[in-house]
Amino acid sequence: DAGVIQSPRHEVTEMGQEVTLRCKPISGHDYLFWYRQTMMRGLELLIYFNNNVPIDDSGMPEDRFSAKMPNASFSTLKIQPSEPRDSAVYFCASSPDRGSGANVLTFGAGSRLTVL
Amino acid sequence: DQQVKQNSPSLSVQEGRISILNCDYTNSMFDYFLWYKKYPAEGPTFLISISSIKDKNEDGRFTVFLNKSAKHLSLHIVPSQPGDSAVYFCAASAAGRRALTFGSGTRLQVQP
Repeated sequence: DAGVIQSPRHEVTEMGQEVTLRCKPISGHDYLFWYRQTMMRGLELLIYFNNNVPIDDSGMPEDRFSAKMPNASFSTLKIQPSEPRDSAVYFCASSPDRGSGANVLTFGAGSRLTVL
Repeated sequence: DQQVKQNSPSLSVQEGRISILNCDYTNSMFDYFLWYKKYPAEGPTFLISISSIKDKNEDGRFTVFLNKSAKHLSLHIVPSQPGDSAVYFCAASAAGRRALTFGSGTRLQVQP
């Protein structure tokens, strides 16, 4: 398996523009997570899905952020409009529903977002 | 409210010696603990974990110790190697909740 695939790896945009980050989880994994890493707040959970259904979105900063999972192999995190304080590395992760690795999240390489 | 705390932002050790990374938690509902390693420009990678029913788990050079009464866990790396130089994150999850809560990380540098 190629692991968790995120795109783009780097995104530079201007304030006010829409940003869409994409994630392909590991095939067969039922859980998908979006995390954000910043210097100030470290690695923080934004939202997670189980079987394509959002379970906990309490970490989504505000209404400018939205996440979807239209099917088991694809998720998007959208920021509209983007602001400079959204600059961060956004990680997607997935995990299986059961088995020895059920509590272990596998992370993608991240998408580094810079909002000017 | 930081539920998982790594109070040492950095640690430097000599190659061949032991590295000890520490982590404290406040949420008594946490029942599963993990350590992740992160290299620059990569995502965190899973290293080792421990369930709250155990107090020690060992995997090669890596050992995690859990002290539930003190709400403290530690990661021991013996012997340390230059390739171990990375940022180490402690993480925890509560029963019935799959998401992990992460500490702020400790940057380990192993000097040759």
